[in-house]
Amino acid sequence: QKEVEQNSGPLSVPEGAIASLNCTYSDRGSQSFFWYRQYSGKSPELIMSIYSNGDKEDGRFTAQLNKASQYVSLLIRDSQPSDSATYLCAPSTDKLIFGTGTRLQVFP
Amino acid sequence: GAGVSQTPSNKVTEKGKYVELRCDPISGHTALYWYRQSLGQGPEFLIYFQGTGAADDSGLPNDRFFAVRPEGSVSTLKIQRTERGDSAVYLCASSPLSLAHNEQFFGPGTRLTVL
Repeated sequence: QKEVEQNSGPLSVPEGAIASLNCTYSDRGSQSFFWYRQYSGKSPELIMSIYSNGDKEDGRFTAQLNKASQYVSLLIRDSQPSDSATYLCAPSTDKLIFGTGTRLQVFP
Repeated sequence: GAGVSQTPSNKVTEKGKYVELRCDPISGHTALYWYRQSLGQGPEFLIYFQGTGAADDSGLPNDRFFAVRPEGSVSTLKIQRTERGDSAVYLCASSPLSLAHNEQFFGPGTRLTVL
């Protein structure tokens, strides 16, 4: 089993819809969880961090963490074409372990 | 303030040559990380430093790869006898001292091409 699993996509959603991105991880010792957004040809950009079970909202983004199920998700409300990018889930103990990322396409 | 900077932005070299990649972290960040990213993959951890010492170098693929951070700020990733398979984007990230909540901020990367 890979340490971090994400559906590589592409996930295609229409503008204005909710995009749901999911991630499972294998290391029960992970304490921190991050979502990074990576535009093509650019470096990863931190968009959300979550450390405790439950939901964390920041603008149009909501991160959800379930440590018992080893599952973390990212919801993007009112998706915009500018949200089109690859989203990387990264659990962390000391170093970040990335999945392959999910490519999101938001079409007008 | 300034973010993480990396130089050069692009490096083309020939198989068998030696290369050095430089990373200048965010001022005050004590932790510094190197990752490598191949096309279609997420970044792959190589090594990280707390201060001047390498806290974890378990991701270095073999002994051709080496990294230093002599003064606890700038770091250099060194690759000897480069191979075509070393071609990738090398990313550097830094983080303030916090093992529990180590939000990492990435530089723009160095694209290495080995011919």
